[in-house]
Amino acid sequence: DAKTTQPNSMESNEEEPVHLPCNHSTISGTDYIHWYRQLPSQGPEYVIHGLTSNVNNRMASLAIAEDRKSSTLILHRATLRDAAVYYCILRDRGYKLSFGAGTTVTVRA
Amino acid sequence: EAGVVQSPRYKIIEKKQPVAFWCNPISGHNTLYWYLQNLGQGPELLIRYENEEAVDDSQLPKDRFSAERLKGVDSTLKIQPAELGDSAVYLCASSPGQNRPTDTQYFGPGTRLTVL
Repeated sequence: DAKTTQPNSMESNEEEPVHLPCNHSTISGTDYIHWYRQLPSQGPEYVIHGLTSNVNNRMASLAIAEDRKSSTLILHRATLRDAAVYYCILRDRGYKLSFGAGTTVTVRA
Repeated sequence: EAGVVQSPRYKIIEKKQPVAFWCNPISGHNTLYWYLQNLGQGPELLIRYENEEAVDDSQLPKDRFSAERLKGVDSTLKIQPAELGDSAVYLCASSPGQNRPTDTQYFGPGTRLTVL
């Protein structure tokens, strides 16, 4: 599986944007970039995914570099409920989600 | 719509005892996964089912772990006998089962196992 690199932790203030980077220099042309997050004492939940173009949904935005070797998950206005571990995952044709250690996001009130 | 249901949420057992975890996936989801999550790490896949068939169990420690999904709906994961190192969170997930790279996996809340 192609690997991703994320910072261990990030802090943000409530109602400010959060930019979570992910490096994936060995990404292949068929790899989708997925983001999941895991709130405390819960299972992971889907956030967003993309292939080449930037993507927006109600939870977040995903900005993908032109060479696809990196991407950034953007939480536009962080709330205390966004405190979680965020996982950046590359996914090829199949079903497999290979989770790394993720980025722990702390939101200060 | 109900999400993935797991029980129990917490389980404490003595080492060498057996333990079982139950999962009911989202209705209509053909694919079911069991993951193991150690403290401070991301989940790791143990086994994947397509309906009642285990199509990927390569990461399941078969000497002590077993799983079943007899009618292609709910599933049970068993450990016998449990060891201290099995203390972890066991997560169940399901997906519609078309195996596209865009498919979302829906996770349950997990069962936290503590082996004393």
